[in-house]
Amino acid sequence: DQQVKQNSPSLSVQEGRISILNCDYTNSMFDYFLWYKKYPAEGPTFLISISSIKDKNEDGRFTVFLNKSAKHLSLHIVPSQPGDSAVYFCAAKGSNTGKLIFGQGTTLQVKP
Amino acid sequence: DTGVSQDPRHKITKRGQNVTFRCDPISEHNRLYWYRQTLGQGPEFLTYFQNEAQLEKSRLLSDRFSAERPKGSFSTLEIQRTEQGDSAMYLCASGGSFYNEQFFGPGTRLTVL
Repeated sequence: DQQVKQNSPSLSVQEGRISILNCDYTNSMFDYFLWYKKYPAEGPTFLISISSIKDKNEDGRFTVFLNKSAKHLSLHIVPSQPGDSAVYFCAAKGSNTGKLIFGQGTTLQVKP
Repeated sequence: DTGVSQDPRHKITKRGQNVTFRCDPISEHNRLYWYRQTLGQGPEFLTYFQNEAQLEKSRLLSDRFSAERPKGSFSTLEIQRTEQGDSAMYLCASGGSFYNEQFFGPGTRLTVL
């Protein structure tokens, strides 16, 4: 039972363009969502998060959008840089638990 | 600013042996989490502590797995009688009880032969 899904295993974009990573969830009890970036042989690094009471959160080049009715969130990276090449995970959390539930990840490649 | 540290970074063991991993959280964080990640998957929650109390355990945490955080600081994760299916990256994260973000360490890569 995959409660958080990232349906695109990989994404390739040109440097300077926008990267859009998508994530869908099934549990309406989730109230907080996070994005992490992971390089090989390292632990996930926190990028940006959003509460379910908001529909957008922005931090520099990174913006997360939340569409609760569609149970969908997306991460926009503008402009994309080669150093952004990594695996990106979305994660969700309910209010009565400490655990994060992760998607399978999307590998982003930014070409120079 | 010291991040989350994990030791060892790599562990190779034979099936049936016991292994123990250590995690040192960010010092001001009172919550500590353990996750497991296999190839091509996202991290899967195992258990978490608030101070020394173990508040939640996943069904993934079989009887062969035990975690402790005796003084509310570092934590250990022990796997008894390891099986080849235990081969994975074991990740530790820490956070606070008043915010949702969790900050991960570099992980311990376990290989069971």
